[in-house]
Amino acid sequence: DTEVTQTPKHLVMGMTNKKSLKCEQHMGHRAMYWYKQKAKKPPELMFVYSYEKLSINESVPSRFSPECPNSSLLNLHLHALQPEDSALYLCASSLAFEQFFGPGTRLTVL
Amino acid sequence: KQEVTQIPAALSVPEGENLVLNCSFTDSAIYNLQWFRQDPGKGLTSLLLIQSSQREQTSGRLNASLDKSSGRSTLYIAASQPGDSATYLCAVRPGGGADGLTFGKGTHLIIQP
Repeated sequence: DTEVTQTPKHLVMGMTNKKSLKCEQHMGHRAMYWYKQKAKKPPELMFVYSYEKLSINESVPSRFSPECPNSSLLNLHLHALQPEDSALYLCASSLAFEQFFGPGTRLTVL
Repeated sequence: KQEVTQIPAALSVPEGENLVLNCSFTDSAIYNLQWFRQDPGKGLTSLLLIQSSQREQTSGRLNASLDKSSGRSTLYIAASQPGDSATYLCAVRPGGGADGLTFGKGTHLIIQP
């Protein structure tokens, strides 16, 4: 298995909702990442987990809450989001050198 | 703070042409550089990875070079095809740990049939 999977593919939520994004890889990678990509912009790093511990938080608002339950799974919990949080959320993983990306979750906040 | 610039921002060429995409970065202290392809609304597909000690990497019709000291990389696409149409992103990794990537804004490439 050489891929990163993300669910759901699309998500529409209201500003008062609570939802979660899920990312999974079975390549034995020990680093996992969340990136946010706005339309026509490059991806921007949000969080990095290394060996299931949060190692980097790029000053992301607390309405985004990451979780790494095990070495294969990464979640992003969403609460009280704003319309400007609408974007493509990308998950990635790496073992040593190369980062592999999932297909992303397209999030729309109404 | 690392900044990555890609030139040109957009490029449209007829099928069959060879082309070069450029990437420059301000801090030469990088661990590696990756070139990605992104189709509209999709995730990123890794094309080539160049470690900081390497000068170039090749995969099929793609060749990427790295001049770390001058902060430059190029992606060469030979004999372009309509299926090559996509946005090409250059990204640098600062360190050998679990560091995130810093991306350029990409080159939007259209190959005309």
